[in-house]
Amino acid sequence: GAVVSQHPSWVICKSGTSVKIECRSLDFQATTMFWYRQFPKQSLMLMATSNEGSKATYEQGVEKDKFLINHASLTLSTLTVTSAHPEDSSFYICSARGQAGVPPDTQYFGPGTRLTVL
Amino acid sequence: QKEVEQNSGPLSVPEGAIASLNCTYSDRGSQSFFWYRQYSGKSPELIMSIYSNGDKEDGRFTAQLNKASQYVSLLIRDSQPSDSATYLCAVRIYGQNFVFGPGTRLSVLP
Repeated sequence: GAVVSQHPSWVICKSGTSVKIECRSLDFQATTMFWYRQFPKQSLMLMATSNEGSKATYEQGVEKDKFLINHASLTLSTLTVTSAHPEDSSFYICSARGQAGVPPDTQYFGPGTRLTVL
Repeated sequence: QKEVEQNSGPLSVPEGAIASLNCTYSDRGSQSFFWYRQYSGKSPELIMSIYSNGDKEDGRFTAQLNKASQYVSLLIRDSQPSDSATYLCAVRIYGQNFVFGPGTRLSVLP
């Protein structure tokens, strides 16, 4: 149980285009989903927290107009990187927290999406 | 400021030895503690969670929590080269987000 999927697993795009990443909780309802970014050899960096049906809460320094987050259902959250630039190239990882198993406050991570912007 | 600290490593141990990974946290209100393993280029995967003082064992892994001293540790017995990864400690106060440590890189030498 407690499986989180992400799609796509990798994407290459041209500078200026927008990229949408999906995060799904496959076998539980995720009341909260998190989006992280990780640059090579660096720590996880929390970008935003989203609760189903509410606006996302962004961490300081993360541009909400550039990284659009939608958490429309208890099993799906999307991150759209708008007008992507090479500096946005990174490993984007979502995680979900819900009522899966015991205890319910555990975060389960998706496999990540590697974004390369040319 | 809530902080979670870990020695960045690398921690090198020979195959078959016990690897000991440590984590300290600053907020005494922390209630939930987690260890994740992250292989290079992959996302973190949950190894163990612990909530009460003492030891919790799961296979070759033992998590130890000492709330009075504000530390949590992970012991890996009979370390294998496949255990080579970065180990992330995460701490949560009820109702708030996780705070992750920077991770400790473990290298198990064959």
